[in-house]
Amino acid sequence: GQQLNQSPQSMFIQEGEDVSMNCTSSSIFNTWLWYKQDPGEGPVLLIALYKAGELTSNGRLTAQFGITRKDSFLNISASIPSDVGIYFCAANSGYALNFGKGTSLLVTP
Amino acid sequence: DVKVTQSSRYLVKRTGEKVFLECVQDMDHENMFWYRQDPGLGLRLIYFSYDVKMKEKGDIPEGYSVSREKKERFSLILESASTNQTSMYLCASSIPGQGPYGYTFGSGTRLTVV
Repeated sequence: GQQLNQSPQSMFIQEGEDVSMNCTSSSIFNTWLWYKQDPGEGPVLLIALYKAGELTSNGRLTAQFGITRKDSFLNISASIPSDVGIYFCAANSGYALNFGKGTSLLVTP
Repeated sequence: DVKVTQSSRYLVKRTGEKVFLECVQDMDHENMFWYRQDPGLGLRLIYFSYDVKMKEKGDIPEGYSVSREKKERFSLILESASTNQTSMYLCASSIPGQGPYGYTFGSGTRLTVV
């Protein structure tokens, strides 16, 4: 599958801080998604983006589908301890999803 | 809620054993997938299936095979387990034509090969 470059690899922040992570690719995609994986569980869908330029929010989470269709970012505002986990970007390629390598987020109270 | 159930949360197997990882979904989804997850490498697609008895190789199929005899069940088979197959294995299912909203993961099987 096509490679998705996700950064940063990890983040260690204090409760209340805002967080930003992004994903880029050399390929064009029609769908970008963001998943969160809690420890010991499978990834769960947070936000799906279907149109270039689209900006979508889900509570404290905001994600954007880049205008070139080659990138996306996820912002988390006012982080809380339960935001801890691994965040994955993913893009739809035919039947299956390609995933980034993940951003591991740690939040200290 | 769609449920994807993986039969084991933890497995320990010996090198050379034949290993079966089972996945069952209860929502009549056509598409099913097997990924492996390794630290720093993210999720990599091993195999997927878009219908009963149909299968397609993903990005890393070597050392694995799959079986889909019934729509609800998708099995991943390690023909002769090796230590480099120690990993977290994730199963997922989806409905074709409904976009990635239909992509639901199981809780994973953490396999250790010794």
